[in-house]
Amino acid sequence: RKEVEQDPGPFNVPEGATVAFNCTYSNSASQSFFWYRQDCRKEPKLLMSVYSSGNEDGRFTAQLNRASQYISLLIRDSKLSDSATYLCVVNERTGGFKTIFGAGTRLFVKA
Amino acid sequence: DADVTQTPRNRITKTGKRIMLECSQTKGHDRMYWYRQDPGLGLQLIYYSFDVKDINKGEISDGYSVSRQAQAKFSLSLESAIPNQTALYFCATSDFGQGGTDTQYFGPGTRLTVL
Repeated sequence: RKEVEQDPGPFNVPEGATVAFNCTYSNSASQSFFWYRQDCRKEPKLLMSVYSSGNEDGRFTAQLNRASQYISLLIRDSKLSDSATYLCVVNERTGGFKTIFGAGTRLFVKA
Repeated sequence: DADVTQTPRNRITKTGKRIMLECSQTKGHDRMYWYRQDPGLGLQLIYYSFDVKDINKGEISDGYSVSRQAQAKFSLSLESAIPNQTALYFCATSDFGQGGTDTQYFGPGTRLTVL
């Protein structure tokens, strides 16, 4: 089982749609969680951190469920500019440092 | 100006050549990392450094070496490049934050092709 697994995608949605990405992690001792966005052939950029209480930033909402060991990202009112790959990232602190990146889920938003 | 820079941005080389990729940062972070990314795969950690005197292997360090010349500089070397090292290479920095978070900031990447 992969340490961080994401929906395989790609997701193809029309503008204005709501889309949700899920991510599961295997290490229950994982401490912190993030969503990054990566445009084609560009560097990953931090989209948002994910907190236990859930957090929202404009059209983006991130949720963490520690009991089930999954993280989600909800994008409302999708824009063409949201087309990108979304990476789930987990920090582990057991026996040393480890940051694990998921393989990413590709999103295509169409007009 | 970018906080994390990488040089070169693109490089084509031949099998057996020695290659150095360089990374510089102006963020003042102690931690620096080198990753590679292959199409359809996630980022794989090659090496990381938590300060100038600290170097650690990541999950795919074979065939690579690094040097942390200063807090702001971290270089990656391929001693004898081989075709399966063709990939997109990213440098990243982070500053261990409150609550145990470790947010990473990436350079623009170096596209390396080994013929």
